[in-house]
Amino acid sequence: RKEVEQDPGPFNVPEGATVAFNCTYSNSASQSFFWYRQDCRKEPKLLMSVYSSGNEDGRFTAQLNRASQYISLLIRDSKLSDSATYLCVVTDSWGKLQFGSGTQVVVTP
Amino acid sequence: DGGITQSPKYLFRKEGQNVTLSCEQNLNHDAMYWYRQDPGQGLRLIYYSQIVNDFQKGDIAEGYSVSREKKESFPLTVTSAQKNPTAFYLCASSSLPKGTEAFFGQGTRLTVV
Repeated sequence: RKEVEQDPGPFNVPEGATVAFNCTYSNSASQSFFWYRQDCRKEPKLLMSVYSSGNEDGRFTAQLNRASQYISLLIRDSKLSDSATYLCVVTDSWGKLQFGSGTQVVVTP
Repeated sequence: DGGITQSPKYLFRKEGQNVTLSCEQNLNHDAMYWYRQDPGQGLRLIYYSQIVNDFQKGDIAEGYSVSREKKESFPLTVTSAQKNPTAFYLCASSSLPKGTEAFFGQGTRLTVV
């Protein structure tokens, strides 16, 4: 079983709609959680950190559920420019990064 | 500006040759990582290092080697033993022990010709 798992998608989303997807992790001692965005043929870039109380950054909302060991990302009012692969990242108790394989989002006009 | 730099951006290698990919960071990060990414696939960990002069194999270390002689530098050598080296290689760094977000270099696209 992979340590961090994501639905690969693609999630096809009409422009202006809301899309949400999850990432599950297996290590209950995981410390830090992040969402990254990766565009085709580019390096991943930090989208947002995920805090225990949940956090929002504009149209993006991230949640952490420690009891069920998953994090989620919700994108409201989707833009064409939101089309990308979203990577879930979890750090273990030593701080080592664990990446999910990514969820592809395609926003259509 | 602090950051992480990979070079070269594009690299062509003949079969049977070893090549070394450079990764340098001036963020004072403890941990450094090398990932391989194939088209349409996720990141796969090759090697990682949490401290100078120490490194651990990742999921796909065969055919690769690394060194960590300085905190700032973590070069990756793709050896002739790597059967299918054509891929996009990404270097990342992060702080320890808690683990801050990772910063990535721009990547090296390696093609075997």
